[in-house]
Amino acid sequence: KAGVTQTPRYLIKTRGQQVTLSCSPISGHRSVSWYQQTPGQGLQFLFEYFSETQRNKGNFPGRFSGRQFSNSRSEMNVSTLELGDSALYLCASSLMTGLRTEAFFGQGTRLTVV
Amino acid sequence: GESVGLHLPTLSVQEGDNSIINCAYSNSASDYFIWYKQESGKGPQFIIDIRSNMDKRQGQRVTVLLNKTVKHLSLQIAATQPGDSAVYFCAENEAGGSNYKLTFGKGTLLTVNP
Repeated sequence: KAGVTQTPRYLIKTRGQQVTLSCSPISGHRSVSWYQQTPGQGLQFLFEYFSETQRNKGNFPGRFSGRQFSNSRSEMNVSTLELGDSALYLCASSLMTGLRTEAFFGQGTRLTVV
Repeated sequence: GESVGLHLPTLSVQEGDNSIINCAYSNSASDYFIWYKQESGKGPQFIIDIRSNMDKRQGQRVTVLLNKTVKHLSLQIAATQPGDSAVYFCAENEAGGSNYKLTFGKGTLLTVNP
């Protein structure tokens, strides 16, 4: 069974640009969450989607947005990139059925803003 | 959640010893907890989870203990192996119920000496 797939793995962008990251969850998983990981702040929750609806949101500015498609694939977008947005962006998927609520992470997308 | 910074707590053990990694969580309303292992260049890997209606759960070579009174979580690894070397994170689900908003601890760097 394929795991969580994130694309691209690496990305370099210039300040002011925007970026879109993609996440394909494990087949059958309906919940997709996004996290930002930096050395200074650690792992921080961005948002969670379930059945195309955002259910939870972390404390990030409106420049960070996301969406989920009917096949559960998800994208996150960051507009007007800042140097501080350089981070590893991680996606996690979960079955969210009954007791099966484990969240499994992808390898992440390493975003560098220059 | 816990504040995170550049300096991770570290634990160094000899191969074959048992390891205990501790974590203090912040939200008394959190009802679901997960331990993750993260190796360099990879996304967090699910190890074991526990719900708030339990105080102990065992997996293969791992045991998680939950003390809700003092909001403390621990991960015990039996017969630690060099392949266990990684950063270990605890995470609490502050959303409650069947949706996600994981808050991660700062992580502990485990080094296993052969």
